[in-house]
Amino acid sequence: RKEVEQDPGPFNVPEGATVAFNCTYSNSASQSFFWYRQDCRKEPKLLMSVYSSGNEDGRFTAQLNRASQYISLLIRDSKLSDSATYLCVVNLSGGSYIPTFGRGTSLIVHP
Amino acid sequence: EAQVTQNPRYLITVTGKKLTVTCSQNMNHEYMSWYRQDPGLGLRQIYYSMNVEVTDKGDVPEGYKVSRKEKRNFPLILESPSPNQTSLYFCASSKGIWSGANVLTFGAGSRLTVL
Repeated sequence: RKEVEQDPGPFNVPEGATVAFNCTYSNSASQSFFWYRQDCRKEPKLLMSVYSSGNEDGRFTAQLNRASQYISLLIRDSKLSDSATYLCVVNLSGGSYIPTFGRGTSLIVHP
Repeated sequence: EAQVTQNPRYLITVTGKKLTVTCSQNMNHEYMSWYRQDPGLGLRQIYYSMNVEVTDKGDVPEGYKVSRKEKRNFPLILESPSPNQTSLYFCASSKGIWSGANVLTFGAGSRLTVL
């Protein structure tokens, strides 16, 4: 079983829609969680960190469920510019440091 | 501007011809790492370094070497490239590895083709 799993999609949604992605992780000792955004052939960029209490940044909401070992990303009022691949990243803190990336979920927002 | 700079951005080479991809960051970050990204496989870590003169293997280190002689630089060396090393490579850095400091900043990527 892969350590971090994401549905690759693509998720095809119209502008203005609400869309949610989940990411499951296998290591219960994971400490840090992030969502990165990657545009085609470009570098990943941090979208938001995911905190235990959940956090919101404008149209984006991230949540962590430690009991079920998944994180989620909710995008409200989707824009054309939200079209990208969204990468889930899970870290163990301390010791060897190898952030584990999910394979990404592709989002396509159409007019 | 705070950034991670990789060079070259694009390279076509032949099997066995040694090459180096440079990576430099101007943020005084302790942690630096290299990833390769292949279709369907996502980002996989090759090597990482938690400080000067400290390097460790990631998930896919075979065929690669790195060095960290200075804090700002972390070159990736392919001593004898092979076609299966054709990939998109990213260098990344972060302030540290503890929570709150482990957000990665990536370079723009280096697309390598080995014929």
